[in-house]
Amino acid sequence: GQNIDQPTEMTATEGAIVQINCTYQTSGFNGLFWYQQHAGEAPTFLSYNVLDGLEEKGRFSSFLSRSKGYSYLLLKELQMKDSASYLCAVRFDGSSNTGKLIFGQGTTLQVKP
Amino acid sequence: DAGVIQSPRHEVTEMGQEVTLRCKPISGHDYLFWYRQTMMRGLELLIYFNNNVPIDDSGMPEDRFSAKMPNASFSTLKIQPSEPRDSAVYFCASRDRGSGNTIYFGEGSWLTVV
Repeated sequence: GQNIDQPTEMTATEGAIVQINCTYQTSGFNGLFWYQQHAGEAPTFLSYNVLDGLEEKGRFSSFLSRSKGYSYLLLKELQMKDSASYLCAVRFDGSSNTGKLIFGQGTTLQVKP
Repeated sequence: DAGVIQSPRHEVTEMGQEVTLRCKPISGHDYLFWYRQTMMRGLELLIYFNNNVPIDDSGMPEDRFSAKMPNASFSTLKIQPSEPRDSAVYFCASRDRGSGNTIYFGEGSWLTVV
């Protein structure tokens, strides 16, 4: 199967920086996504990486290392509204099933004052 | 754009009853995904379609679950008969392969089987 691992929970302080890690199986890899999900709501897109390196978008950045099967999401200047679940998702392409998007269990981030 | 539209938003049903969840993808999107989310198992891919054709249904739990996409603007996920362990949030999502890789989720259908 396609395994995606990320920490279950993290806690950080308002104004600080937090890094959420994600590791995945590399076979068939074709892109990594980060989604944010507030309680009771649908996941919303944050970032997408397909090449190695850092993608920056405002307070959020996402990093990818394909050789290591590793990504992280970096959140800067944390705000209370950043308290949410952060989902790592990997697109796997096989010979018979392209575009398959598999999600990790999610990391619940709690931002404290 | 109206986004991905799902119905019903909430449903409570008795064990053994048939449940039908509906989804209207974003117009022009050629991929449609059905996911199920629970606290224990997270967000699981059940089945996905490309151009109305099922590509991978390996995530469908058992024969009680079936999904159809009769045209580009409509899909259903049916559970018959329903069981309490089917209680979950069911999300539909769609993607336009031509313009990017982002998938967009509907608001979800919150199912409770008692």
